[in-house]
Amino acid sequence: SAVISQKPSRDICQRGTSLTIQCQVDSQVTMMFWYRQQPGQSLTLIATANQGSEATYESGFVIDKFPISRPNLTFSTLTVSNMSPEDSSIYLCSVRDLAEKLFFGSGTQLSVL
Amino acid sequence: KQEVTQIPAALSVPEGENLVLNCSFTDSAIYNLQWFRQDPGKGLTSLLLIQSSQREQTSGRLNASLDKSSGRSTLYIAASQPGDSATYLCAVETDSWGKLQFGAGTQVVVTP
Repeated sequence: SAVISQKPSRDICQRGTSLTIQCQVDSQVTMMFWYRQQPGQSLTLIATANQGSEATYESGFVIDKFPISRPNLTFSTLTVSNMSPEDSSIYLCSVRDLAEKLFFGSGTQLSVL
Repeated sequence: KQEVTQIPAALSVPEGENLVLNCSFTDSAIYNLQWFRQDPGKGLTSLLLIQSSQREQTSGRLNASLDKSSGRSTLYIAASQPGDSATYLCAVETDSWGKLQFGAGTQVVVTP
C-alpha cells in the first residue's frame, strides 16, 4: 500500500489569490491523480499527472486554472489559481499501486472568501 | 458517458443489523469497480476492489458483489458497528489508466 502526505490539510484564502497543494508519496508511482469534491458532491477527476510529461486534464478543467507539476515519481503539486468562492472544495490526490488499488491523501479543505 | 448512482443516499441502522448498499452504473464495459469509505478529514480508504472478471470480493465483514450485465454492485456489511458510520463511495474504472467515476455516496449512521 502507498502512504500519501498531502499539505495543507485546510486553508482559508482570499478571492483572487492562488494556493498550491502538495502531495508526497512514500513510494515511486507512475500515475498520480487530482480530484475535487465540491460541498455535498462526489469526487470529480481534475487531471492525471505523469512524471516527465504534461498533465492530462478532464473536460471542464484547464491548465491555466489548475496548473500541475510532477517533478519526480513521488511528488506532485496542484495550484488553484485566481480563486473564487466557487473553488471552495476538498482537493484530493490519489495514486495507484501495482495491485491497481487507489490510495488517497487526506485531502485539502479549501475555503475561498 | 459512464454514470454511477448510489442508493440510498443515507441510511441509519441500529448496531448489529446488516447493511446493504447499492451501486449502479450505465456502461457495463468496466475495467474494475471499487468501494471506498470516506471519513471526515481522513480522505478515502479503499475497502474492496472487484476486477471485471470477478463476481465478488470479501474482506472480513465486508462482501461486495458485481453483476456487469445488469450494471450493479452491492456492498454488504455484516453485523454493523458504530465504527462503520461513514460515507461509502462506489467508483468505476472504465479503462486501465486509473481514472475513476464516482457515485455520490451513501452516508451510513450506525446507532449504538
